[in-house]
Amino acid sequence: QKEVEQDPGPLSVPEGAIVSLNCTYSNSAFQYFMWYRQYSRKGPELLMYTYSSGNKEDGRFTAQVDKSSKYISLFIRDSQPSDSATYLCAMSLRITQGGSEKLVFGKGTKLTVNP
Amino acid sequence: DTGVSQDPRHKITKRGQNVTFRCDPISEHNRLYWYRQTLGQGPEFLTYFQNEAQLEKSRLLSDRFSAERPKGSFSTLEIQRTEQGDSAMYLCASSLGQSSNQPQHFGDGTRLSIL
Repeated sequence: QKEVEQDPGPLSVPEGAIVSLNCTYSNSAFQYFMWYRQYSRKGPELLMYTYSSGNKEDGRFTAQVDKSSKYISLFIRDSQPSDSATYLCAMSLRITQGGSEKLVFGKGTKLTVNP
Repeated sequence: DTGVSQDPRHKITKRGQNVTFRCDPISEHNRLYWYRQTLGQGPEFLTYFQNEAQLEKSRLLSDRFSAERPKGSFSTLEIQRTEQGDSAMYLCASSLGQSSNQPQHFGDGTRLSIL
């Protein structure tokens, strides 16, 4: 079993739909939870960054973390064709030296929003 | 452009050749990370620098791989005697700070193709 599980899709929705993306994880040591968006042939772009269980909202995006269930979600409201991309969940593991973290990613979910 | 910059964007080489990639982090970011991403997968952590010190290396980083950050600013990743399995996107990320809880920002990567 991989540390982070994410359904790769693909997921296709009509414009204006609410999109729900999810990841599950097995490692209780994960500290921070992130969602990145990656367009084709581009690097991952940070969308949401959370620490504690609960919801965090930023415009049309809502990130949800449930540490007891080891489950995180990203909701996109009023989806737009420009939201078409691969969405990667990522979780951080402490690096012993230097006080930083390394990220463990899911496989990514490919989303297409149709006009 | 004040983001993470990577060069070249695409490198095509024959098996057995050596290649070197460069990463320029966001100005004043003292932390720098290298990841590798293969098709249909999320990025995988390779190595981490705090200033010029390399503090963490993944077991994915075989003896053919070497990374440096000589003056604590830009970093290079060299692969010697390239193999077919080295074909991937090599991503660089940087973050700020002496403590944790600082998000990592990615460049657009160097895509390596081994003939």
